[in-house]
Amino acid sequence: GDSVTQMEGPVTLSEEAFLTINCTYTATGYPSLFWYVQYPGEGLQLLLKATKADDKGSNKGFEATYRKETTSFHLEKGSVQVSDSAVYFCALTSGGGSYIPTFGRGTSLIVHP
Amino acid sequence: DAGITQSPRHKVTETGTPVTLRCHQTENHRYMYWYRQDPGHGLRLIHYSYGVKDTDKGEVSDGYSVSRSKTEDFLLTLESATSSQTSVYFCAISGTSGPTGELFFGEGSRLTVL
Repeated sequence: GDSVTQMEGPVTLSEEAFLTINCTYTATGYPSLFWYVQYPGEGLQLLLKATKADDKGSNKGFEATYRKETTSFHLEKGSVQVSDSAVYFCALTSGGGSYIPTFGRGTSLIVHP
Repeated sequence: DAGITQSPRHKVTETGTPVTLRCHQTENHRYMYWYRQDPGHGLRLIHYSYGVKDTDKGEVSDGYSVSRSKTEDFLLTLESATSSQTSVYFCAISGTSGPTGELFFGEGSRLTVL
């Protein structure tokens, strides 16, 4: 079945540091890939997505590139802020009539001033 | 923002009592989901719906039932709550004509079972 593996957290960084959160996947067919973010006390919200190989999703300074050859979708940001402190979830849908997204376990990011 | 509201947002109850959580959407989305979120487990799917009166089980459905009599409402019921069901519950919706995979989440319902 489909699966998503994320690096375990927490990831602790100082403000303005470079961020990478690794995400790899296994899936049948040609999945769509997503990053969601969950701020404290809130529900998840879509951060960015990519629907085919080599696509780059981007939003709010975050980027992730759909790498089919390495089955990866790593999240990056060049300069994090304290306000980026949150939990980040990588997810996929493999299509083929499936209604069910597959989520990673989430990675907590803590950014210190 | 997607129009999803969950109620109640917080509830404390005792073991053995029934509990119903409600998810209401104003987006006319076909697909609705109930997840629970627990430390160390991430998000786990309880039940989902792909249309009115069309529901199916997720990976952690034991002890839970759902109903969807209208497009806009998806109810999650714990027939007899147990302490292991203490969790934060999230409703999500997706797609108007098909599951795009992009989910819109509610704010969550925190349930404590004493």
